[in-house]
Amino acid sequence: DTGVSQDPRHKITKRGQNVTFRCDPISEHNRLYWYRQTLGQGPEFLTYFQNEAQLEKSRLLSDRFSAERPKGSFSTLEIQRTEQGDSAMYLCASSFGTDNYGYTFGSGTRLTVV
Amino acid sequence: SQKIEQNSEALNIQEGKTATLTCNYTNYSPAYLQWYRQDPGRGPVFLLLIRENEKEKRKERLKVTFDTTLKQSLFHITASQPADSATYLCALEASGTYKYIFGTGTRLKVLA
Repeated sequence: DTGVSQDPRHKITKRGQNVTFRCDPISEHNRLYWYRQTLGQGPEFLTYFQNEAQLEKSRLLSDRFSAERPKGSFSTLEIQRTEQGDSAMYLCASSFGTDNYGYTFGSGTRLTVV
Repeated sequence: SQKIEQNSEALNIQEGKTATLTCNYTNYSPAYLQWYRQDPGRGPVFLLLIRENEKEKRKERLKVTFDTTLKQSLFHITASQPADSATYLCALEASGTYKYIFGTGTRLKVLA
């Protein structure tokens, strides 16, 4: 197991286009989280899954954002009709419970909307 | 409103000294608190977790304290090295939410 994988590492898109990111968590981890991080800020919570169930979505997240985790394995995060304000690093993390182990983060997908 | 505060100014210290970083929070009652290290362009890396009923946790050169009365955690790196230079993030898990809220991080630079 090589940790949490995110694809792509970088994405440049034109405003108004849709983008989709993929996250492959550590296989035995049942929880999967998506965060967004902009320069000089800490990661901002977007949503999380326990197995295939999406348990919480940030109130700050617009309806243009949607995430799935089919079969409780990999997850996708889609942003529709991208805006320049969506430019950020999108981080995926996984964990097994909330105790003892912390999160294992991927290296992130850097999105630039032009 | 809920707030996590970490010193936004960079901390510069001399190699071999102890670095101390602060995390203050308001309007939270975290059951767990974590510290992460983040290098530029990379995801955060988990360092330590401390529970609300623990006062102190150590791991090698790292020490974390958690004072729920002061609503503060201190993160210490003893015998600091230039390789410790990074941004350090604290994160709180409010009881039962299963998600962590992160502070903005403090950038540490250890000078050789």
